[in-house]
Amino acid sequence: DQQVKQNSPSLSVQEGRISILNCDYTNSMFDYFLWYKKYPAEGPTFLISISSIKDKNEDGRFTVFLNKSAKHLSLHIVPSQPGDSAVYFCAASAGNTGKLIFGQGTTLQVKP
Amino acid sequence: DAGVTQSPTHLIKTRGQQVTLRCSPISGHKSVSWYQQVLGQGPQFIFQYYEKEERGRGNFPDRFSARQFPNYSSELNVNALLLGDSALYLCASSLEGLLAGQETQYFGPGTRLLVL
Repeated sequence: DQQVKQNSPSLSVQEGRISILNCDYTNSMFDYFLWYKKYPAEGPTFLISISSIKDKNEDGRFTVFLNKSAKHLSLHIVPSQPGDSAVYFCAASAGNTGKLIFGQGTTLQVKP
Repeated sequence: DAGVTQSPTHLIKTRGQQVTLRCSPISGHKSVSWYQQVLGQGPQFIFQYYEKEERGRGNFPDRFSARQFPNYSSELNVNALLLGDSALYLCASSLEGLLAGQETQYFGPGTRLLVL
């Protein structure tokens, strides 16, 4: 039962353009959502998060959008840079449980 | 400040053996969580500990156990290793774990375990 899904295994964009990574979830109890970036041979690095009481959160080049009615969130990276090439995971948690439920990941390649 | 540290970085074991993985959280963080990541998938939750108490457990067999020490560091033990236990084991720390509700977890570099 995959409660968090990233349906695009990979995405390729040109340097300077926008990257949009998508994530869908099924559990309506999720109230906190996070995006992590992972390079090979490293642990996931926290990027940005959003609470379910918000629909948008920005941090520099990264913006996360949350559509609760559609149970969908997205990460926008503008402008994309070659150093952004990595695997991106979305994750969600519910209420007072400490566990994060992760999607399968999307590999982003930013071409110079 | 140092981030989450894990040891060892790599480990090779044979089926049936036992393994202990170690994690030190970010200074000031009291909660540690363990995740297993197999190739091509996202991390899967194994355990969360806060103040030496287990606060959550994922869908893993009893061969997996963990503990947290007074200095908030943690160990993950896996007994009777199977080939399918080969994975990247990640440790994450957060300030207070469950008690703080919405809280960001910060991950260490992981321990890559290969079971032959």
